[in-house]
Order: sequence, then C-alpha cells, then structure tokens
Amino acid sequence: DVKVTQSSRYLVKRTGEKVFLECVQDMDHENMFWYRQDPGLGLRLIYFSYDVKMKEKGDIPEGYSVSREKKERFSLILESASTNQTSMYLCASSFSRTGGTYEQYFGPGTRLTVT
Amino acid sequence: QKEVEQDPGPLSVPEGAIVSLNCTYSNSAFQYFMWYRQYSRKGPELLMYTYSSGNKEDGRFTAQVDKSSKYISLFIRDSQPSDSATYLCAMSFASGGSYIPTFGRGTSLIVHP
Repeated sequence: DVKVTQSSRYLVKRTGEKVFLECVQDMDHENMFWYRQDPGLGLRLIYFSYDVKMKEKGDIPEGYSVSREKKERFSLILESASTNQTSMYLCASSFSRTGGTYEQYFGPGTRLTVT
Repeated sequence: QKEVEQDPGPLSVPEGAIVSLNCTYSNSAFQYFMWYRQYSRKGPELLMYTYSSGNKEDGRFTAQVDKSSKYISLFIRDSQPSDSATYLCAMSFASGGSYIPTFGRGTSLIVHP
C-alpha cells in the first residue's frame, strides 16, 4: 500500500512565524504535490515537484515555498505565517508513467491554525 | 465555466439506498477519471480510477464514464452509514498532457441509519 505521511495532524502557529510542513512518501513516486483545502473552494494546488530539487508553482504559490532535497520528502514552508493561511494542508504523490495514469495518493492532512 | 463541475450537496439518503454521484467536465481531452472518498478532517483516499469510457466495478462501487456526454458517475449500492463522506471526482490527460489531475469540489454524502 502507498503510504504518504505528514509531520503533524494539527498545528497552531502565531502570525509572522516561519512554519515547516513535511511530507514523506514510501513508494518511490517521482511527483509530489502540496494542496490547501478550504470549505467551498475545494483543493487548490500550491506547489508541485516532478523530481528532486525541481519545483513548479501551482495556482496559489504566494506566501509559500517548497524544498525537495530527497525523492521521498517534500517540504512546504510558510515564510511568515498569516491568518489567511489557516487551512487544511494536504500532501500527495504520484508516479510518472508514459501514457498515464496520474492518480494521486494523499497524506492525512495537517490542520494549520494561525492566530 | 469550471473545467469540472460537481454538486456540493449534501446528499442525504437512507441506509441501503443506491447512491449516484456525478461530475461533468468540459475538456474532451481528459482520459483518466478518478474518484476519491474523504472523511471529515482526513486526506482523500483513492477509491477507483478508470480509463476512457465504460464501467468499472469494485465491490459495492461502480464507476461509469460517458465521454460523449462528458459525464462521470460513481454508484454506491447498499449504502452504509460508514459511506458518509465527501466524494471528489478528478480527471487527467493521457501522455503529452499535464499529469496533475483536475478535481471537482466534492459532494457531501450522508447515509442515515
């Protein structure tokens, strides 16, 4: 079974703090993703990575950065947390296959509250 | 118009009912179709994925794709209270396209005893 783990289930941080969210997958997937999920807005892609040290901006990268130093690990960094970054953060991973498929496997999520 | 449309619900049904969850899409280039189940405060769990048109069955779940109508469905037979969750559809291109799925916003399903 594919396993994607996230470093914390719940996190409370103060405005202005630097926040690190970590994600690890054990299936040797090339692709890793960070989403945030908010009520009524669905899943929104923040950043993704298709290889070690490679990253691409998603739909809402402002206020976030990422790091992928090892294939199995993908970190999301909030440089200076703000209250509008209070959200559920979801990590996902997938294979790269010629001809598809591109189903993603998700971690359990981190519920981040910024006060 | 969003690329993938999904009624947010909630859809409330009695235990044992057949449930039909649906998504419509606008991009005819989508080839792979996925359904995820998400329990409250948890990450989405991949339920099924299908390629192109046709049906796929897994236990009480059947995924159906109608590419001519740009319409996909997930049927749940003999629904149980444990099926209460949000169901997200997702779809992606075949080779040559983006490998990032496009997600619907999810339909909330409540199965009451």
